Formats: sequence, C-alpha cells, structure tokens
Amino acid sequence: KQEVTQIPAALSVPEGENLVLNCSFTDSAIYNLQWFRQDPGKGLTSLLLIQSSQREQTSGRLNASLDKSSGRSTLYIAASQPGDSATYLCAVRPIGGNTPLVFGKGTRLSVIA
Amino acid sequence: GAVVSQHPSWVICKSGTSVKIECRSLDFQATTMFWYRQFPKQSLMLMATSNEGSKATYEQGVEKDKFLINHASLTLSTLTVTSAHPEDSSFYICSAGTRQGGQPQHFGDGTRLSIL
Repeated sequence: KQEVTQIPAALSVPEGENLVLNCSFTDSAIYNLQWFRQDPGKGLTSLLLIQSSQREQTSGRLNASLDKSSGRSTLYIAASQPGDSATYLCAVRPIGGNTPLVFGKGTRLSVIA
Repeated sequence: GAVVSQHPSWVICKSGTSVKIECRSLDFQATTMFWYRQFPKQSLMLMATSNEGSKATYEQGVEKDKFLINHASLTLSTLTVTSAHPEDSSFYICSAGTRQGGQPQHFGDGTRLSIL
C-alpha cells in the first residue's frame, strides 16, 4: 500500500529565506506526483505536477524535483514571502487505471515578516 | 478557471439532518470522481470512488449507508451525509480526472460541514 510522508510537519522561517520541503513515498509505481497548497479552511491549489518520467518542474519561485527510484520529491521555495504561509501537500497517483491520489500529511509553513 | 465545481462551500445544520454535496466537472467528462474527507490539521483521506453509472467503491471504515454517493451522469457526483451527527463535521472535497493516468486530477473547493 502506497504511503506518503512529508517532513517537516511544520516549518517557520523569516521572510526572504530559501527553503526545502521533503516528500517521500513507498512505491515507485506512480503516474505522477503533485504538490498542492492549502490555505486554512480552503481547498487545494495545484502548484506543480511532475510526471514519472520527469526529474523536475519549475513555476516562478517554486521548483519541484522527483527521484522516482528512491521515492523522493522536494519542493524548493526561493525568497520566501509571508504570502507563502500555508500547508503544502504532496500527493502521488499510483499506477493502475483511474486511481485516486495518495496524500501526505502536509507541511505547515509560516513565513515571518 | 475552475474545472471542478463543488457546492455548497459551507453548511451548518442540526444533528439528524441529511446534507447533500454536489461535485460537477465543468470542462470534461469525468467517468470517475473521488470523495475525500479532511479533519482539522490532518491530510485528505479517500472516502470513496464514484463511478458513473455504477455503485461507488468505499474505503475500509467508511459506512456506505451513511455516506450515499450517486454518480448519475458524466459531469455530476453527489455525496449525501445521512442523519449527520457532530462527529461527521469535517471538510469534504471531491476530485475528478480522466482515465489517462498522467493527467492531473482537479479538485473542487471543498465543503465545510458543521453539525450542531
């Protein structure tokens, strides 16, 4: 059974710092991996989608990497801003038809001005 | 714009009430939709897989008679929480995708259910 783990569970950094969020998964048989952002009481905002054949994806200040063989992904946030404060969720889509995503528990990020 | 629309976004009701949540795919035909539940400070947990024209598949521990799922068309799935109690208070969110595994899944904005 696929399991997704995110470390750290919570992170507090001063504004301007670069930071890395970690995600690991137990089964490398995946279609893709997605990083989401969730603000308190809100739904999910998709940040980056990395296909299983890809190594990384970039969008603005965000860069996500994928090492499928080792079951790891990182989300790099450059020059963090208070507006980046949110919970970041990592999810993988297991291979096997129209499968649901399997989520990690998330990393709660606070960027202090 | 949103490709999955979920309504209502927030519901407060008395214990014993049944509540229906709708999930619509706007730009594509979703043969399968997924329903998740999220408790405070927890991650999303899959409740059930909703298949168009057939019975939903429920995850272990999810009562199918309490959480009724209907997927009568390719663009609409509904989740009805029957005889809701305070312990059913949670954030419910749906997602939809195509059979192409490499394509992203799209999520609704979620429904916050509060049972008094």
